Amino acid sequence: NAGVMQNPRHLVRRRGQEARLRCSPMKGHSHVYWYRQLPEEGLKFMVYLQKENIIDESGMPKERFSAEFPKEGPSILRIQQVVRGDSAAYFCASSPPGLNSPLHFGNGTRLTVT
Amino acid sequence: SQQGEEDPQALSIQEGENATMNCSYKTSINNLQWYRQNSGRGLVHLILIRSNEREKHSGRLRVTLDTSKKSSSLLITASRAADTASYFCATDAIRGAQKLVFGQGTRLTINP
Repeated sequence: NAGVMQNPRHLVRRRGQEARLRCSPMKGHSHVYWYRQLPEEGLKFMVYLQKENIIDESGMPKERFSAEFPKEGPSILRIQQVVRGDSAAYFCASSPPGLNSPLHFGNGTRLTVT
Repeated sequence: SQQGEEDPQALSIQEGENATMNCSYKTSINNLQWYRQNSGRGLVHLILIRSNEREKHSGRLRVTLDTSKKSSSLLITASRAADTASYFCATDAIRGAQKLVFGQGTRLTINP
């Protein structure tokens, strides 16, 4: 049973380009979360999605960032017109339904904006 | 602002010693979870303690929760070099529908 798969592992973009980060949840998991981690810091919540629905996007910047979790295919975190401050590790986690289910994390995508 | 705050920020001990990390939080919670992160990797779930529990064990891990003080501790007994990692506590607000909020973490180094 494969874990949470994120790709790419490393992504380099120039300022102004678009970054697309992909996340395939564990089999049977219908809830997906995106977190951002700056060096030497904890994870900051960005967005929580279920299939075809955004449940909580309170941690998403108002501009340039969007997320989706379509009926078929992986969840996508999209960052338009990237800036240097977007450089970070972006982690996806998934869980089955249930308030007390632990999160299963992928190994992250490290985005570097040059 | 972060819900959870770990203390200390960094801890270095000898192999075989016990390691204790603390976490404080601000709002009421459903449960508190501890995760480990090895360098360059994702987080791995260690243990979950519910708000109506006071202590929980899993192998060499012991977690306590004091809801009156809004604090938790993680004890790793008989530490091993492989325990070297960052450890994070995470909490969910009662109305938070599993939106976990993580602390800054404790960087634990086990010296052989």
